[in-house]
Amino acid sequence: DAGVIQSPRHEVTEMGQEVTLRCKPISGHDYLFWYRQTMMRGLELLIYFNNNVPIDDSGMPEDRFSAKMPNASFSTLKIQPSEPRDSAVYFCASSRQGGEPQHFGDGTRLSIL
Amino acid sequence: AQSVTQPDIHITVSEGASLELRCNYSYGATPYLFWYVQSPGQGLQLLLKYFSGDTLVQGIKGFEAEFKRSQSSFNLRKPSVHWSDAAEYFCAVVPPMVTGGGNKLTFGTGTQLKVEL
Repeated sequence: DAGVIQSPRHEVTEMGQEVTLRCKPISGHDYLFWYRQTMMRGLELLIYFNNNVPIDDSGMPEDRFSAKMPNASFSTLKIQPSEPRDSAVYFCASSRQGGEPQHFGDGTRLSIL
Repeated sequence: AQSVTQPDIHITVSEGASLELRCNYSYGATPYLFWYVQSPGQGLQLLLKYFSGDTLVQGIKGFEAEFKRSQSSFNLRKPSVHWSDAAEYFCAVVPPMVTGGGNKLTFGTGTQLKVEL
């Protein structure tokens, strides 16, 4: 089975530009998570969905960040406008029902110049 | 505050030596417990998990972890380390009685393992 698929793997853009990160979860997984990893703050949960519905977005840094899950096989994390401090590795993960281990994608390394 | 702690930021061991990575949690009840490994440029891979039952858990790549309720610990061990084990290791928990469903993971800060040949 294919794992969690994220695209792009790398993104370099100038500040002020819109950035869209994409994620395809594992088929049959009901939960989808977006994380951000930085040296300073480690791994942070940004938002998670259950059955395509956002459950907890308390980790989303500010209004410039938004996430959607239009269907069970696709999610996006959007940053608009982007800032240099948004530079990080963004991970998507998915899992089955509550408590089951999360499976991570390989991440998107985002650099905002 | 409820949290998960990995007290060692960096650990260096010689190839073939044994390894123990520490993880402590502070919750009123036993959370779900996980160890993940992250190789450079990669996502996180699950090594093992503990939900309940036998306190010694076997994982992939020859790793095991022991849950000790009295110490609120879930330390990761490997009898003989290979150079390919060099990576960052994260302990993670799903807090008990999480409201609203789901499995919101809280990660430790990670332990970077270096293996000397």
